[in-house]
Amino acid sequence: SQKIEQNSEALNIQEGKTATLTCNYTNYSPAYLQWYRQDPGRGPVFLLLIRENEKEKRKERLKVTFDTTLKQSLFHITASQPADSATYLCALDEGYQKVTFGTGTKLQVIP
Amino acid sequence: DVKVTQSSRYLVKRTGEKVFLECVQDMDHENMFWYRQDPGLGLRLIYFSYDVKMKEKGDIPEGYSVSREKKERFSLILESASTNQTSMYLCASSTTGDRRYEQYFGPGTRLTVT
Repeated sequence: SQKIEQNSEALNIQEGKTATLTCNYTNYSPAYLQWYRQDPGRGPVFLLLIRENEKEKRKERLKVTFDTTLKQSLFHITASQPADSATYLCALDEGYQKVTFGTGTKLQVIP
Repeated sequence: DVKVTQSSRYLVKRTGEKVFLECVQDMDHENMFWYRQDPGLGLRLIYFSYDVKMKEKGDIPEGYSVSREKKERFSLILESASTNQTSMYLCASSTTGDRRYEQYFGPGTRLTVT
């Protein structure tokens, strides 16, 4: 199965700045890559899915890029707010409905 | 909105007990999943089901079994609970087709085995 690395366990940024989270994978390029948000003690919440033939996807203040050459996805939150503080998980499809999750990056937005 | 519910938020059981965790989804999703989540290890797939009465092993099925008798309900069974099964258990569901990799999670059950 895939090995997924998310750039750091924790990331602190100032409110209003753009947060950039990185997801690297090591094996084959997935057809689908997803990002989820998880708050403490809660289940993950699906945010965005990007396909291998899409370079970029946006949803409100969120932007995801997918570079199959670099085997990397970047997740951006623009104009970050303290309410964006959470752990963000990257996930890749393994085929047959299965998904492998990274261990996440904990984002803290400082007022 | 998709709603996935789990029978308990917190559960404390003794070593050797048989434990049942229930999950119900209300969106007529074909696929259902059970994960456990531990610090530093992330989400690990225990079992999944793509149809009623169908099941597939995930990455860590040892010590667990599952049951899916109805489309909306997926149960995880710990046959004889052990302390190393203390964890957060998360159920998820997804549809088929182009959106099959969008998983919708329940709130989780934090199980402690003493």
